[in-house]
Amino acid sequence: NAGVTQTPKFQVLKTGQSMTLQCAQDMNHNSMYWYRQDPGMGLRLIYYSASEGTTDKGEVPNGYNVSRLNKREFSLRLESAAPSQTSVYFCASSEDGHQPQHFGDGTRLSIL
Amino acid sequence: GEDVEQSLFLSVREGDSSVINCTYTDSSSTYLYWYKQEPGAGLQLLTYIFSNMDMKQDQRLTVLLNKKDKHLSLRIADTQTGDSAIYFCACFSGGYQKVTFGIGTKLQVIP
Repeated sequence: NAGVTQTPKFQVLKTGQSMTLQCAQDMNHNSMYWYRQDPGMGLRLIYYSASEGTTDKGEVPNGYNVSRLNKREFSLRLESAAPSQTSVYFCASSEDGHQPQHFGDGTRLSIL
Repeated sequence: GEDVEQSLFLSVREGDSSVINCTYTDSSSTYLYWYKQEPGAGLQLLTYIFSNMDMKQDQRLTVLLNKKDKHLSLRIADTQTGDSAIYFCACFSGGYQKVTFGIGTKLQVIP
């Protein structure tokens, strides 16, 4: 009963490098989300996908791209990493937009 | 957009009750959630309440909703050291059709 699985758990990048964070859910949920969590800032929504084939910007989309590969998978890409993107990234899914979200354990990303 | 506010920190003694408070601004919020985050982990759903309810009880947890004041609270009875964590309030706004999270309240339980 995996729920939401994120890979990798930890990553260190140099400024300017690119990387894709992977997320998969096995609950047959329609909606998926990417958040970043920073000290004193709470959770901020980067992008979300209300259903397979659709993606929309959240509160802080600049510097990121996403792909909803299929119903299970939703990836987040940093094309040219910047130190300001050092954060903990969480993927979440829900049956629909108003249903409770289920979270992965996060990816801790440091950009030097 | 909607604002969801919580106090940053709460300290209680083991065995006492904890009350974590949250206020929100959108009166059309339909679903209101409480999540728990332990160190190094993701957010775990504790409970949620629909806007047509005033109270929900689930074992040691009691959620109270005052729609008039747009105030939500989470009471943890007989607080244990394992309850030490960050607690997030979140609201689904019917008007904005999205979930907004509070900043989180760090609960410290003193043995």
